[in-house]
Amino acid sequence: QQQVKQSPQSLIVQKGGISIINCAYENTAFDYFPWYQQFPGKGPALLIAIRPDVSEKKEGRFTISFNKSAKQFSLHIMDSQPGDSATYFCAASREVGGTSYGKLTFGQGTILTVHP
Amino acid sequence: DAGVIQSPRHEVTEMGQEVTLRCKPISGHNSLFWYRQTMMRGLELLIYFNNNVPIDDSGMPEDRFSAKMPNASFSTLKIQPSEPRDSAVYFCASSFLGTVRKNIQYFGAGTRLSVL
Repeated sequence: QQQVKQSPQSLIVQKGGISIINCAYENTAFDYFPWYQQFPGKGPALLIAIRPDVSEKKEGRFTISFNKSAKQFSLHIMDSQPGDSATYFCAASREVGGTSYGKLTFGQGTILTVHP
Repeated sequence: DAGVIQSPRHEVTEMGQEVTLRCKPISGHNSLFWYRQTMMRGLELLIYFNNNVPIDDSGMPEDRFSAKMPNASFSTLKIQPSEPRDSAVYFCASSFLGTVRKNIQYFGAGTRLSVL
C-alpha cells in the first residue's frame, strides 16, 4: 500500500514537444506529492509539488495534474527543451496526522531525453 | 549554506573491506535520510533519523549495514563487510519538519561506491 508506480521508464521527446509522466499511488493517507528532477552526477532536487486540495499546479513550463478519485498524478513539461533532459521522480508522503517524519515514497523514475 | 555535504564522492574498495560514508546535513534541519540508487532498484530509502534518533531502518538490506547520527551535524553509513552487490550511488538528504507543512528534502551529490 506504500507503493508509488511511475510510467514510462523512459521517454524521448523532440524539442518544443510536451513531456508527460504519470504516477499512481495506493495509500489514501498520502497528502503531499512532489516531483524531483535529477541530472547526471547530481542528487535529486525538488521541482514542483502539489497537495490534494487542488487539481492542478503550474510553475512556468511545468504543471502537475492531480486526480484524487483515481489516485493518480502527472507531470507535464510544456515546450520541452534539451536542458530538461534528466531523470524525474514522483513521490508521495503523509504530512498531516502521521508519524512519517517527512518520509517520501518515490516512484521508479523516468529518464527523459529531449532531442534538439 | 553549502547544502548537504557527502564524502567521499567516489569510493572504490575490495570485497570484504569496511566502507564508511559520511554526511553533513544542512544546518537547522532535523531529519536525515539515507538512500541507495541503482539502475535495477531505483531510489531506495535505507534509514531515516529525526532529531538524531533512528525512526525507521526497515530499508537497511542486511546486518552488514549500519547508520549512526551522533549529533545534528553528522551522520555515517557503514557497510561491513562490503560485497560487490553493494555497488551503487548512496545519497544523503536532509529536511526540516516544523509546524508549517513544508516537506522538502535536500539531497547531497552522492557517493558512488564500487566494490570489486
